[in-house]
Amino acid sequence: EMQLVESGGGLVLPGGSLRLSCAASGFTFSTYAMNWVRQAPGKGLEWVSVISGSTFYADSVRGRFTISRDNSKNTLYLQMNSLRDEDTAIYYCTKDKKPGISAYWYGDAFDLWGQGTLVTVSS
Amino acid sequence: QSVLTQPPSVSGAPGQRVTLSCTGRSSNIGAGYTVSWYQHLPGSAPKLLIYSNNERPSGVPDRFSGSKSGTSASLAITGLRAEDEADYYCQSYDEGLSGSVFGGGTKLTVL
Repeated sequence: EMQLVESGGGLVLPGGSLRLSCAASGFTFSTYAMNWVRQAPGKGLEWVSVISGSTFYADSVRGRFTISRDNSKNTLYLQMNSLRDEDTAIYYCTKDKKPGISAYWYGDAFDLWGQGTLVTVSS
Repeated sequence: QSVLTQPPSVSGAPGQRVTLSCTGRSSNIGAGYTVSWYQHLPGSAPKLLIYSNNERPSGVPDRFSGSKSGTSASLAITGLRAEDEADYYCQSYDEGLSGSVFGGGTKLTVL
């Protein structure tokens, strides 16, 4: 069974840092682009970042967040620095539906989601 | 404000048909990028309902169908059931932003 399990969320002060992890199982992790999507309290879904052959970011996090992966550990990461109140959200790890790693990523459906990990930025 | 525009709420009686809209622009849906739809129940992970504008993943009932025309897309749900009550999101790719974009979501209420 395909599965994604996020971890690393918690309470952090504004300006602080946090690293999220997402452990993948049940599929060939290295052959799929992977994403982070978040949902702030009472708000809708917001795409955050993708890693394929290259990395891409939403304007709201570019320069502060870094996505990476370790294919030997089947794990996706999101390093979050200079955190702001508005980064408070549930962060979901997602898998692209179509296999393939490319320097050019033009979006895809997300057919597998983790249960999410809550990040709270507050003083 | 979301790049893709969805009505905040839609309602229907059991057994009825409802349509949820998603309006984009020339840099996303209008540029030919495909649309996906997700169902999100409180406390659960979002679930993929429709991909490539009108394709259903295995296990999704044929009561759910998608379409796309110009800069807009729609999700139709027929034979409405109480368990369909959820938030629904559309998604596409925006070439101006070089990233994926979601609509603001539509809350479906089954009366």
